[in-house]
Amino acid sequence: EIVLTQSPGTLSLSPGERATLSCRASQSISSSYLAWYQQKPGQAPRLLIYGASSRATGIPDRFSGSGSGTDFTLTINGLEPEDFAVYYCQHYGSSYTFGQGTKLEIK
Amino acid sequence: EVQLLESGGGLVQPGGSLRLSCAASGFTFSSYVMSWVRQAPGKGLEWVSTIDAGGGSTYYPDPMKGRFTISRDNSNNTLYLQMNSLRAEDTAMYYCARAPRLYRSFDIWGQGTMVTVSS
Repeated sequence: EIVLTQSPGTLSLSPGERATLSCRASQSISSSYLAWYQQKPGQAPRLLIYGASSRATGIPDRFSGSGSGTDFTLTINGLEPEDFAVYYCQHYGSSYTFGQGTKLEIK
Repeated sequence: EVQLLESGGGLVQPGGSLRLSCAASGFTFSSYVMSWVRQAPGKGLEWVSTIDAGGGSTYYPDPMKGRFTISRDNSNNTLYLQMNSLRAEDTAMYYCARAPRLYRSFDIWGQGTMVTVSS
Protein backbone atom coordinates (compact mmCIF):
# COMPACT_ATOMS: atom_id res chain seq x y z
CA GLU A 1 0.00 0.00 0.00
CA ILE A 2 1.26 3.44 -0.93
CA VAL A 3 1.81 5.86 1.95
CA LEU A 4 1.64 9.61 1.43
CA THR A 5 3.75 11.73 3.78
CA GLN A 6 3.09 15.44 3.94
CA SER A 7 5.53 18.04 5.19
CA PRO A 8 5.79 20.17 7.11
CA GLY A 9 3.18 19.24 9.68
CA THR A 10 2.57 22.90 10.41
CA LEU A 11 3.59 25.89 8.32
CA SER A 12 3.49 29.39 9.82
CA LEU A 13 3.41 32.21 7.30
CA SER A 14 2.05 35.73 6.91
CA PRO A 15 -0.54 36.94 4.42
CA GLY A 16 1.09 37.81 1.11
CA GLU A 17 3.82 35.20 1.44
CA ARG A 18 4.23 32.05 -0.64
CA ALA A 19 3.39 28.65 0.83
CA THR A 20 5.05 25.47 -0.40
CA LEU A 21 3.52 22.20 0.81
CA SER A 22 5.05 18.82 0.07
CA CYS A 23 3.51 15.38 -0.45
CA ARG A 24 5.87 12.45 -0.82
CA ALA A 25 4.75 8.97 -1.88
CA SER A 26 6.37 5.78 -0.61
CA GLN A 27 6.76 4.65 -4.22
CA SER A 28 6.35 6.17 -7.64
CA ILE A 29 2.72 7.00 -8.42
CA SER A 30 0.72 8.22 -11.38
CA SER A 31 0.38 11.99 -11.33
CA SER A 32 -3.03 11.55 -12.98
CA TYR A 33 -4.40 10.36 -9.67
CA LEU A 34 -2.85 12.88 -7.26
CA ALA A 35 -5.16 15.50 -5.74
CA TRP A 36 -5.02 18.25 -3.13
CA TYR A 37 -7.79 19.40 -0.79
CA GLN A 38 -8.32 22.34 1.55
CA GLN A 39 -10.28 21.95 4.78
CA LYS A 40 -11.32 24.76 7.09
CA PRO A 41 -12.55 24.17 10.65
CA GLY A 42 -16.08 22.81 10.75
CA GLN A 43 -16.24 22.43 6.98
CA ALA A 44 -16.00 19.59 4.51
CA PRO A 45 -12.84 19.29 2.42
CA ARG A 46 -12.76 21.13 -0.90
CA LEU A 47 -10.99 19.87 -4.01
CA LEU A 48 -8.25 22.25 -5.11
CA ILE A 49 -6.07 20.32 -7.54
CA TYR A 50 -6.57 17.09 -9.47
CA GLY A 51 -4.25 15.27 -11.82
CA ALA A 52 -1.36 16.80 -9.84
CA SER A 53 -1.59 20.17 -11.58
CA SER A 54 -5.13 20.95 -12.79
CA ARG A 55 -7.14 23.43 -10.75
CA ALA A 56 -10.67 22.42 -9.85
CA THR A 57 -13.60 24.62 -10.83
CA GLY A 58 -13.57 28.00 -9.12
CA ILE A 59 -10.13 27.65 -7.55
CA PRO A 60 -8.06 30.86 -7.76
CA ASP A 61 -4.91 30.78 -9.85
CA ARG A 62 -2.72 31.53 -6.82
CA PHE A 63 -3.06 27.79 -6.12
CA SER A 64 -0.85 25.55 -8.25
CA GLY A 65 0.23 21.94 -8.14
CA SER A 66 3.29 20.25 -9.54
CA GLY A 67 5.39 17.14 -9.30
CA SER A 68 5.82 13.62 -10.55
CA GLY A 69 7.05 10.24 -9.44
CA THR A 70 7.21 10.39 -5.64
CA ASP A 71 7.38 14.14 -4.98
CA PHE A 72 4.47 16.52 -5.36
CA THR A 73 4.03 20.13 -4.32
CA LEU A 74 1.13 22.48 -3.68
CA THR A 75 2.14 26.12 -3.98
CA ILE A 76 0.01 29.05 -2.85
CA ASN A 77 1.26 32.41 -4.09
CA GLY A 78 0.32 35.58 -2.21
CA LEU A 79 -1.48 34.03 0.77
CA GLU A 80 -4.90 35.45 1.48
CA PRO A 81 -6.45 35.33 4.98
CA GLU A 82 -8.93 32.69 3.81
CA ASP A 83 -6.13 30.34 2.74
CA PHE A 84 -5.14 29.46 6.29
CA ALA A 85 -6.47 25.93 6.70
CA VAL A 86 -5.43 22.28 6.64
CA TYR A 87 -4.34 20.79 3.31
CA TYR A 88 -4.41 17.12 2.34
CA CYS A 89 -2.96 15.27 -0.61
CA GLN A 90 -4.72 12.15 -1.90
CA HIS A 91 -3.85 9.40 -4.31
CA TYR A 92 -5.75 6.61 -6.01
CA GLY A 93 -3.90 3.43 -6.76
CA SER A 94 -5.69 0.22 -5.91
CA SER A 95 -7.44 2.21 -3.18
CA TYR A 96 -7.78 5.81 -2.06
CA THR A 97 -5.16 7.11 0.36
CA PHE A 98 -4.71 10.49 2.03
CA GLY A 99 -1.70 12.20 3.50
CA GLN A 100 -1.86 13.16 7.16
CA GLY A 101 -2.29 16.86 6.36
CA THR A 102 -0.38 20.12 6.65
CA LYS A 103 -1.78 22.90 8.80
CA LEU A 104 -1.14 26.33 7.35
CA GLU A 105 -1.37 28.88 10.14
CA ILE A 106 -1.01 32.63 10.38
CA LYS A 107 2.35 33.75 11.71
CA GLU B 1 -26.63 23.72 -7.69
CA VAL B 2 -24.69 20.49 -7.20
CA GLN B 3 -25.33 19.28 -3.67
CA LEU B 4 -24.90 16.28 -1.40
CA LEU B 5 -26.80 16.09 1.88
CA GLU B 6 -26.00 13.38 4.43
CA SER B 7 -28.26 12.18 7.21
CA GLY B 8 -28.63 9.30 9.62
CA GLY B 9 -25.78 9.91 12.02
CA GLY B 10 -26.12 9.80 15.77
CA LEU B 11 -25.12 8.04 18.97
CA VAL B 12 -24.97 4.24 18.85
CA GLN B 13 -23.68 1.66 21.31
CA PRO B 14 -20.68 -0.52 20.53
CA GLY B 15 -21.80 -3.49 18.46
CA GLY B 16 -24.76 -1.58 17.12
CA SER B 17 -25.76 -0.63 13.58
CA LEU B 18 -26.53 2.55 11.72
CA ARG B 19 -27.51 3.44 8.16
CA LEU B 20 -26.35 6.68 6.65
CA SER B 21 -28.00 8.31 3.64
CA CYS B 22 -26.76 10.89 1.17
CA ALA B 23 -29.24 12.71 -1.05
CA ALA B 24 -27.77 14.04 -4.28
CA SER B 25 -29.12 16.89 -6.40
CA GLY B 26 -28.02 19.13 -9.25
CA PHE B 27 -26.26 16.47 -11.32
CA THR B 28 -26.95 13.15 -13.02
CA PHE B 29 -26.39 10.94 -9.98
CA SER B 30 -26.58 7.69 -11.94
CA SER B 31 -23.55 8.68 -14.03
CA TYR B 32 -21.09 9.03 -11.16
CA VAL B 33 -18.99 6.85 -8.92
CA MET B 34 -19.75 7.75 -5.30
CA SER B 35 -17.82 7.30 -2.08
CA TRP B 36 -17.86 7.68 1.67
CA VAL B 37 -14.93 9.29 3.50
CA ARG B 38 -14.67 9.72 7.26
CA GLN B 39 -12.75 11.88 9.67
CA ALA B 40 -12.31 11.04 13.34
CA PRO B 41 -12.34 14.05 15.69
CA GLY B 42 -9.11 16.00 15.28
CA LYS B 43 -7.72 13.48 12.78
CA GLY B 44 -7.19 13.19 9.05
CA LEU B 45 -9.31 11.85 6.22
CA GLU B 46 -9.91 8.12 5.70
CA TRP B 47 -11.55 6.46 2.70
CA VAL B 48 -14.46 4.23 3.73
CA SER B 49 -16.08 2.84 0.60
CA THR B 50 -16.80 3.40 -3.09
CA ILE B 51 -19.55 2.22 -5.42
CA ASP B 52 -19.60 2.40 -9.19
CA ALA B 53 -22.23 4.34 -11.11
CA GLY B 54 -24.53 1.39 -11.68
CA GLY B 55 -24.13 -0.04 -8.20
CA GLY B 56 -22.76 -3.34 -9.41
CA SER B 57 -19.27 -2.98 -7.98
CA THR B 58 -18.29 -1.93 -4.47
CA TYR B 59 -14.92 -1.34 -2.84
CA TYR B 60 -13.72 -1.17 0.76
CA PRO B 61 -10.44 -0.86 2.63
CA ASP B 62 -9.66 -3.87 4.81
CA PRO B 63 -10.84 -2.34 8.15
CA MET B 64 -14.37 -1.89 6.74
CA LYS B 65 -14.75 -5.15 4.83
CA GLY B 66 -17.49 -7.33 6.21
CA ARG B 67 -18.89 -4.62 8.52
CA PHE B 68 -19.84 -1.81 6.13
CA THR B 69 -22.02 -2.04 3.02
CA ILE B 70 -22.34 0.73 0.47
CA SER B 71 -25.35 0.85 -1.86
CA ARG B 72 -27.26 3.29 -3.99
CA ASP B 73 -30.73 3.97 -5.37
CA ASN B 74 -30.30 5.73 -8.68
CA SER B 75 -34.04 6.20 -9.10
CA ASN B 76 -34.07 8.31 -5.93
CA ASN B 77 -30.58 9.84 -6.25
CA THR B 78 -29.52 8.48 -2.89
CA LEU B 79 -26.35 6.85 -1.59
CA TYR B 80 -26.31 4.67 1.52
CA LEU B 81 -23.83 3.26 4.00
CA GLN B 82 -24.95 0.42 6.25
CA MET B 83 -22.61 0.10 9.22
CA ASN B 84 -22.73 -2.95 11.47
CA SER B 85 -20.71 -4.15 14.47
CA LEU B 86 -19.72 -0.58 15.21
CA ARG B 87 -16.69 0.12 17.36
CA ALA B 88 -15.49 3.16 19.29
CA GLU B 89 -12.88 3.75 16.59
CA ASP B 90 -15.66 4.22 14.02
CA THR B 91 -16.57 7.48 15.74
CA ALA B 92 -16.16 10.12 13.05
CA MET B 93 -17.76 12.60 10.73
CA TYR B 94 -18.88 10.70 7.66
CA TYR B 95 -18.87 12.52 4.33
CA CYS B 96 -20.32 11.37 1.06
CA ALA B 97 -18.39 12.51 -1.97
CA ARG B 98 -18.68 12.38 -5.72
CA ALA B 99 -15.72 10.58 -7.23
CA PRO B 100 -15.44 11.07 -11.01
CA ARG B 101 -13.69 8.11 -12.54
CA LEU B 102 -11.38 10.11 -14.79
CA TYR B 103 -9.09 11.55 -12.11
CA ARG B 104 -10.10 9.44 -9.10
CA SER B 105 -10.48 12.42 -6.82
CA PHE B 106 -13.44 13.66 -4.77
CA ASP B 107 -14.82 16.75 -6.44
CA ILE B 108 -18.04 17.36 -4.50
CA TRP B 109 -18.52 16.75 -0.77
CA GLY B 110 -21.51 16.82 1.53
CA GLN B 111 -21.44 18.64 4.84
CA GLY B 112 -21.09 15.38 6.76
CA THR B 113 -23.04 13.46 9.39
CA MET B 114 -21.54 12.66 12.78
CA VAL B 115 -21.46 9.10 14.09
CA THR B 116 -20.58 8.53 17.75
CA VAL B 117 -20.07 5.00 19.03
CA SER B 118 -20.19 4.96 22.80
CA SER B 119 -21.90 3.23 25.68
